[in-house]
This record gives sequence, C-alpha cells and structure tokens, in this order.
Amino acid sequence: AQTVTQSQPEMSVQEAETVTLSCTYDTSESNYYLFWYKQPPSRQMILVIRQEAYKQQNATENRFSVNFQKAAKSFSLKISDSQLGDTAMYFCALSGPRFGAGTRLTVKP
Amino acid sequence: KAGVTQTPRYLIKTRGQQVTLSCSPISGHRSVSWYQQTPGQGLQFLFEYFSETQRNKGNFPGRFSGRQFSNSRSEMNVSTLELGDSALYLCASSLESGTAQSYNEQFFGPGTRLTVL
Repeated sequence: AQTVTQSQPEMSVQEAETVTLSCTYDTSESNYYLFWYKQPPSRQMILVIRQEAYKQQNATENRFSVNFQKAAKSFSLKISDSQLGDTAMYFCALSGPRFGAGTRLTVKP
Repeated sequence: KAGVTQTPRYLIKTRGQQVTLSCSPISGHRSVSWYQQTPGQGLQFLFEYFSETQRNKGNFPGRFSGRQFSNSRSEMNVSTLELGDSALYLCASSLESGTAQSYNEQFFGPGTRLTVL
C-alpha cells in the first residue's frame, strides 16, 4: 500500500527566512514520482515542484527545492527567502495518487 | 486556456439527500480525478476517470459514485448523505491517466464546498 506522511500539521516562519516541510512516504513501486502542491487560502491548488524517483539530483524551482532521500523514503520541501504569498497548505503527494494530510504554513511579516 | 471548473461552488444539503457535483476539465485533458478534503483527513482520493472509464478508486463506500462523459466532463454523485460527508470536493484534470509510475501533473479546480445538515 502507498502512504504519505506529513508529520507537521502547522508551521510558521518569518518573512525572508528559510523553512523546511517534511514528508515521508512508502511505496512498493520501483519507479514513481513525488510532488509538492500548494493550496493558498481560498485559492486553487497548484503544483510547486516534482521529483522523478530515478533521478538522484534534487529538483529546484526558484526559491523551492527538495531534499529527496530515496533510501529513507523522505521528500522534504525547502522554501528559501519566504514571502507572505507562500502562506498556504502544502501537500506532499506520491504518483498513484496518494496525498499527505498537509502542512499549514504561515509566513509572518 | 480555461482552467478546471466546478459547479456548484457551494451546496447545502440535509442528511439522507443525494447530491451531484460537476467538473469540467481543461480542454484536451482526458483524465478527471476527484478528492475529498477535510481538516482532519487531509486530501483523500475518491476515484479517477479516463476516457469514460473508472481507472482507479479510493477507499470510499459505494454511496460515492461518478461518471465521465465523452467530452471528458465528469460528475460525482453522493447518495444518502451523512454529516461526515461535509467537505470540500476537489476535481483535478490531467492529460493522461495517473499510475504509480507516471508523472501526471494534476490541475485542480476551485472545489465544491458541501455542507450536510
């Protein structure tokens, strides 16, 4: 069975600082994809970043980067230079699909 | 290109009633997935339709059903509503069907907020 676990229900960070959101997963598939989605308050969910499991290099999209540890089945999201617009629910997801419970991130001015 | 649209945006029903939600995917997308989002359970996968066929199903009771039309539009039906069905129902479309091995970016709609009284 596939599972995705986000152990941090809520987090907060000061504007301009860096924050890391954790995600662990379990799958029996040898090839799969991992995603981070962002759901701003009262707005639609959008894809932030994706990682192909067979690629060792960590994905990066501007201020967003991941730390993908395949052996540990860990897929954390790092947000650098946090901005007020980063305030949102963040969902980690595994192709299949399977979503985590989400982490509510608040960026404080 | 227009995004994923869902109607209605808000709905209030009473226990025992049934409800039908609608989703129009992005033009050209053939896969439509449905999710239930609640504060306690997060985002839970209901089912996926691709080319009018259910391809994948989550762990929900048979009261939850869906269908997809030839134009890829999809409807989700919930019969005999229960208080616990109150949630935000999200629809997501993608070009191809999602599998464990596939990169399949999903584009989400704004959701339908269902309240069961």
